Amino acid sequence: DTGVSQDPRHKITKRGQNVTFRCDPISEHNRLYWYRQTLGQGPEFLTYFQNEAQLEKSRLLSDRFSAERPKGSFSTLEIQRTEQGDSAMYLCASSLDRGIYNSPLHFGNGTRLTVT
Amino acid sequence: AQSVTQLGSHVSVSEGALVLLRCNYSSSVPPYLFWYVQYPNQGLQLLLKYTSAATLVKGINGFEAEFKKSETSFHLTKPSAHMSDAAEYFCAVSSNSGGYQKVTFGTGTKLQVIP
Repeated sequence: DTGVSQDPRHKITKRGQNVTFRCDPISEHNRLYWYRQTLGQGPEFLTYFQNEAQLEKSRLLSDRFSAERPKGSFSTLEIQRTEQGDSAMYLCASSLDRGIYNSPLHFGNGTRLTVT
Repeated sequence: AQSVTQLGSHVSVSEGALVLLRCNYSSSVPPYLFWYVQYPNQGLQLLLKYTSAATLVKGINGFEAEFKKSETSFHLTKPSAHMSDAAEYFCAVSSNSGGYQKVTFGTGTKLQVIP
């Protein structure tokens, strides 16, 4: 168990540019989540994958956001035409589906995005 | 819809004093509840979870939480604060939402420990 890994840790970009973040979950975990966290707030749900299928998307996820999880392994989150309001910490988490709904989420250290 | 409310965005305690962080939940079904801790520039780490097996749940680093259905509360406590406990703490509720596990977090409580 090497934990959830996110890359990069920090990203500074200019408004209008596209950015892509990567998440490598714990290898045997089939559930993968993306959350966004702004200063002074708790994590807000963005999207959820069960294996390679994206099963749920928050209304927070505008058309500029897209997430993939090819082959049910790593996941990417892309933001197109970034805006200053996209500045936040983007957290990835994974968990193991045991057919119940109390599995703890294992978080990565996040990618901090700053849009200038 | 499920939600959690954390009372107090900032809590200060003296080293060695009792830590009490408050969390109230709202859920239409019996909830699964969690406490997570976040240190600066890091992700969230699980402290403990409630899954209905016992109302008093013990977690890591000496923390524990008690589930009180009548008060819809799941407060986090530690008898004696240590400097290393300074961090932000998040309460979370989990349930089945259309076949997937939906986890909703509170807004967090930042704990300051005064030497």
